[in-house]
Amino acid sequence: NAGVTQTPKFQVLKTGQSMTLQCAQDMNHEYMSWYRQDPGMGLRLIHYSVGAGITDQGEVPNGYNVSRSTTEDFPLRLLSAAPSQTSVYFCASSWDSLGSYNEQFFGPGTRLTVL
Amino acid sequence: QQQVKQSPQSLIVQKGGISIINCAYENTAFDYFPWYQQFPGKGPALLIAIRPDVSEKKEGRFTISFNKSAKQFSLHIMDSQPGDSATYFCAAIDGAGSYQLTFGKGTKLSVIP
Repeated sequence: NAGVTQTPKFQVLKTGQSMTLQCAQDMNHEYMSWYRQDPGMGLRLIHYSVGAGITDQGEVPNGYNVSRSTTEDFPLRLLSAAPSQTSVYFCASSWDSLGSYNEQFFGPGTRLTVL
Repeated sequence: QQQVKQSPQSLIVQKGGISIINCAYENTAFDYFPWYQQFPGKGPALLIAIRPDVSEKKEGRFTISFNKSAKQFSLHIMDSQPGDSATYFCAAIDGAGSYQLTFGKGTKLSVIP
């Protein structure tokens, strides 16, 4: 199993550009989530999904959109990038909808810089 | 509002010493407390976790101590090794609410030979 994969590993955007961060898992996990990690801030939840077709907002959802059309994929979209979105983004997955009680498996991260 | 407070922000320990990281919380609905370990350039990985009905959990050199009345919990790393150098995050889950992970801000541990 590849586990949780994320692409790209690095990305530089200009303010106002849009892009999609890709996340895929091959463990048949129902629960998937996106976090951002900023220095001294820990990990903050952006959006999460408890299954295909179901998504919800986390702590810091503004400026981000998600969708979950399949169990395997959970892309994160930045519609109009801002410098405040410069961060490292992690996707995570776990077995079921009570996802946080199960071990969350994290991807390797995407380092995004917005100029 | 920071729901899980973690200290210290950074920690330097000599090889063979004991590393101690502390966390405190206010939300009494939190009912599951995992610790995650993150190496540079990698995603976090679950290290050890505890529920509030036990006061201590040990896995190898890693021990969680939990004080429910004080709303505090800590990670102890015995016989610390250079390979333990990483960032450690405590976290908590509100089992009566969102079931989402709330992370502390992290502790960067450096174990020097």
